[in-house]
Amino acid sequence: QKEVEQDPGPLSVPEGAIVSLNCTYSNSAFQYFMWYRQYSRKGPELLMYTYSSGNKEDGRFTAQVDKSSKYISLFIRDSQPSDSATYLCAMSALYAGGTSYGKLTFGQGTILTVHP
Amino acid sequence: ETGVTQTPRHLVMGMTNKKSLKCEQHLGHNAMYWYKQSAKKPLELMFVYNFKEQTENNSVPSRFSPECPNSSHLFLHLHTLQPEDSALYLCASSQDPGERSSPLHFGNGTRLTVT
Repeated sequence: QKEVEQDPGPLSVPEGAIVSLNCTYSNSAFQYFMWYRQYSRKGPELLMYTYSSGNKEDGRFTAQVDKSSKYISLFIRDSQPSDSATYLCAMSALYAGGTSYGKLTFGQGTILTVHP
Repeated sequence: ETGVTQTPRHLVMGMTNKKSLKCEQHLGHNAMYWYKQSAKKPLELMFVYNFKEQTENNSVPSRFSPECPNSSHLFLHLHTLQPEDSALYLCASSQDPGERSSPLHFGNGTRLTVT
């Protein structure tokens, strides 16, 4: 079983739709949860960063973490063609000394296309 | 120049060649990373450097040899690679890998093809 499972899609939605992207994980030690967006021929860029359970909102983006279910989500409201990209979930744990050492475990990524 | 810069953007090499990938960060960060991104697979952490010291080697074959001369520069030396090593190699940096609020900033990667 992979540590992080993410449906690779592809997911195609019309402009203006609400998009829901999800990841499940198996390692209960994960404490930090991130979503990255990766455009074609570019490196990943950080979209959202959350610690432990709860919700975080930033403009049209909302990240949710449910540690009891080991499930995280990213919602995109009023989706735009410019949101078309691959979305990667990532997470990390705390190791000895309370540090994550920057070691992220990534999902496979979901390819999203928003068509006009 | 801002952010994390990687060169070259594309590289084609034979299995007997020796080449190097270069990464430079202009963010004043203390930690640098190499990740490998293969088709249909998650990003895989290869190496972590914190204040120029290697703190992580994720069971990477010795045909990949990292070098970090200072906190701003990171190299990945390649020799006798295999076709399955073809992938996008991403460099990243962060302020402090021990700091919980220190996300990774990625470069745009080097697309490597081994023939």
